[in-house]
Amino acid sequence: ELKVEQNPLFLSMQEGKNYTIYCNYSTTSDRLYWYRQDPGKSLESLFVLLSNGAVKQEGRLMASLDTKARLSTLHITAAVHDLSATYFCAVDESYQLIWGAGTKLIIKP
Amino acid sequence: NAGVTQTPKFRILKIGQSMTLQCTQDMNHNYMYWYRQDPGMGLKLIYYSVGAGITDKGEVPNGYNVSRSTTEDFPLRLELAAPSQTSVYFCASTPGGVNYGYTFGSGTRLTVV
Repeated sequence: ELKVEQNPLFLSMQEGKNYTIYCNYSTTSDRLYWYRQDPGKSLESLFVLLSNGAVKQEGRLMASLDTKARLSTLHITAAVHDLSATYFCAVDESYQLIWGAGTKLIIKP
Repeated sequence: NAGVTQTPKFRILKIGQSMTLQCTQDMNHNYMYWYRQDPGMGLKLIYYSVGAGITDKGEVPNGYNVSRSTTEDFPLRLELAAPSQTSVYFCASTPGGVNYGYTFGSGTRLTVV
């Protein structure tokens, strides 16, 4: 069974702190996506990671992919309140996305 | 460019009723998908299509049907609605290829009472 596991599932942190969300998966895929979802909204694409060692950064968010370890990380630097949301990773297995359960991130002022 | 358009945005159904969730994309994408998202959970694949006339089951297809008569449209049919089908439904599409991403619709929030 294909599995995608995120941790933590819930994270409450202070503004200005750094933290990392982890995404472990059980397939041999080398395509992984990170999405953001605000309450009651659709999914917003953050990063597309297409190969081993891929690293992408946008503002305070940085994502990386290690296909050998079957691990992706989403690192948050100097968190701000606007980054409060639920973050999902999804692994692409032959044009089908397998989703993690999501990490609900709350950033307190 | 509208992207992926879903209708309706909200719907309340009574147990045993049927309805069709509409999904249209104007990007000429070959691949289209229907997902459901239950509260506090990730998305689960219901059905997908790799092109007009071709559909296949995903992880949770029971109680649903789809058709793909055109590249643009991928409707999801719920027959005999049950409370377990209360969820948010997302349609998505992708062109495929080497460097592709997925585009999601805004979702349909369905409540079965």
